[in-house]
Amino acid sequence: GQNIDQPTEMTATEGAIVQINCTYQTSGFNGLFWYQQHAGEAPTFLSYNVLDGLEEKGRFSSFLSRSKGYSYLLLKELQMKDSASYLCAVRDRNAGNNRKLIWGLGTSLAVNP
Amino acid sequence: GAVVSQHPSWVICKSGTSVKIECRSLDFQATTMFWYRQFPKQSLMLMATSNEGSKATYEQGVEKDKFLINHASLTLSTLTVTSAHPEDSSFYICSAHGGGAQGYTFGSGTRLTVV
Repeated sequence: GQNIDQPTEMTATEGAIVQINCTYQTSGFNGLFWYQQHAGEAPTFLSYNVLDGLEEKGRFSSFLSRSKGYSYLLLKELQMKDSASYLCAVRDRNAGNNRKLIWGLGTSLAVNP
Repeated sequence: GAVVSQHPSWVICKSGTSVKIECRSLDFQATTMFWYRQFPKQSLMLMATSNEGSKATYEQGVEKDKFLINHASLTLSTLTVTSAHPEDSSFYICSAHGGGAQGYTFGSGTRLTVV
């Protein structure tokens, strides 16, 4: 089957670094996505990983290990506006529709001053 | 960049009436449209996947006769919530495949409140 796990809630301090982990189980892994979602808004794309390693994009980085079924999103120099829900999603080529994304439940990050 | 226009942004309707939500891809052809529902403080729940010109594929537990999906063209997909009830109150979001970040472009969402 398919399963994605990520922590429900995290708290961090402004200016600090936070790492949000995501583990997944799929039969036909075909890419992992991270999205940011503020309350009442649609998700915003942050990163995409399909090969092992680290993808860096400004303050945000995402890491993938396919052999471990593991990814993390790293947020540096946290700002108050980074308080949001962070969603991990995996594309599985065996999911009936190979474009369908399997979503984690999201990690609610609270950044405190 | 790729844009999906979703309307309305919010709607309040009476119980028993129907509501139509539109998602239109403005500068690309959306061969596949995903329709999600999201309850407060929960993740996205995929309701159905529609491909242009064919019937939508509904996820388990989603009533196809209640949530009517039409994807008649490569730029327009609609979701109609029929005979709406208060429990249908939710945030509905479309996501088009084609263009956008690694191929997925989200609409801005529709907040439906059934009273």
